[in-house]
Amino acid sequence: AQSVSQHNHHVILSEAASLELGCNYSYGGTVNLFWYVQYPGQHLQLLLKYFSGDPLVKGIKGFEAEFIKSKFSFNLRKPSVQWSDTAEYFCAVNPDSNYQLIWGAGTKLIIKP
Amino acid sequence: GAVVSQHPSRVICKSGTSVKIECRSLDFQATTMFWYRQFPKQSLMLMATSNEGSKATYEQGVEKDKFLINHASLTLSTLTVTSAHPEDSSFYICSASASGGAHTDTQYFGPGTRLTVL
Repeated sequence: AQSVSQHNHHVILSEAASLELGCNYSYGGTVNLFWYVQYPGQHLQLLLKYFSGDPLVKGIKGFEAEFIKSKFSFNLRKPSVQWSDTAEYFCAVNPDSNYQLIWGAGTKLIIKP
Repeated sequence: GAVVSQHPSRVICKSGTSVKIECRSLDFQATTMFWYRQFPKQSLMLMATSNEGSKATYEQGVEKDKFLINHASLTLSTLTVTSAHPEDSSFYICSASASGGAHTDTQYFGPGTRLTVL
């Protein structure tokens, strides 16, 4: 069965630290890849997405993600986090562009001021 | 851009009554809308997918006669929980996607509706 795994359920960092959140998926075909963020008390927002082309994708708020096809991975990165990045981050995969999203379990990120 | 709204944000109803939740795409035309349910501390569970002007496709285990979905226009989909019972209490979230342009193949989420059935 298709699945998405996010390796860390909770991450705690200090401000200005670098961030990398792992995401791996199990599907051998064409995929669209997404990272969504949910800030406290807010709804899910699209952070960035990858469909094709340059495997290094830049999103909002200084986030980027790299698609490595050979590793079935789509890790999210940010060079220097801020307190306002405290949120829950979800990786999602859309196999074969059939619209249905397969979700990772989410990673709760806490940034200490 | 790509804003999705839901109304109401919170609703409390008596057991046996029906509740309608609206989902609107405010600045784009949504050819496809999705309805999710979220239980506490769990990830989103897809209930159904609806395309404008067509019948919704329900996920396995979701009762289509209980959760009526209408997607009558490119900016509005409604979910009606019929004869609601306390076990229907949950957080219902919609998302919308377009078939062309910058928003194609991407789901944009609404803020959710908290339903409490007494």
